[in-house]
Amino acid sequence: GENVEQHPSTLSVQEGDSAVIKCTYSDSASNYFPWYKQELGKRPQLIIDIRSNVGEKKDQRIAVTLNKTAKHFSLHITETQPEDSAVYFCAAVSGGYQKVTFGTGTKLQVIP
Amino acid sequence: EAQVTQNPRYLITVTGKKLTVTCSQNMNHEYMSWYRQDPGLGLRQIYYSMNVEVTDKGDVPEGYKVSRKEKRNFPLILESPSPNQTSLYFCASSGGTVNSPLHFGNGTRLTVT
Repeated sequence: GENVEQHPSTLSVQEGDSAVIKCTYSDSASNYFPWYKQELGKRPQLIIDIRSNVGEKKDQRIAVTLNKTAKHFSLHITETQPEDSAVYFCAAVSGGYQKVTFGTGTKLQVIP
Repeated sequence: EAQVTQNPRYLITVTGKKLTVTCSQNMNHEYMSWYRQDPGLGLRQIYYSMNVEVTDKGDVPEGYKVSRKEKRNFPLILESPSPNQTSLYFCASSGGTVNSPLHFGNGTRLTVT
């Protein structure tokens, strides 16, 4: 089955710096890669996603890149703010959500 | 308001006492699923349903049952809960296409003693 590895598990950055979280996946059938943000005590919420036919996607301060050949994708947050502090999960999806495998999460702390 | 509603939010029970966690969505989504979240393990898929009367196992289905008699409801049933099922559970729904993200419920924190 699919295996998704996510690194780092914790990340501390100064406010205004950039943060990068990386994920690798194993199943070449995975074709959709969403990123979720989970604030303490709350539900995960989608922040950005990318499909396998796209190499990069950007939404304001957040961007995701995908390298299908190497089977890895990354989340980039620029100009970090304290409200970016949360746990971030990557996921690899195949078969229209028949198979969803999440990474183990990255706890991001943005220090004011 | 479009939402996924889970109940209860918190549940403490004893080993072997059957329980049901309810999940309902008002977005007419075909796809619904259950996940458990444990520290260091992320979210793991328990069961999913592509449509009414269609359910299938995820990665960690042992000890759980589900049913999908109606499109909006997808209850999670623990016939004989055990302490290793103590976890935070999330229900989610999606339009089901590759372009549709998951919408999560607020979660149910279950403790089995």
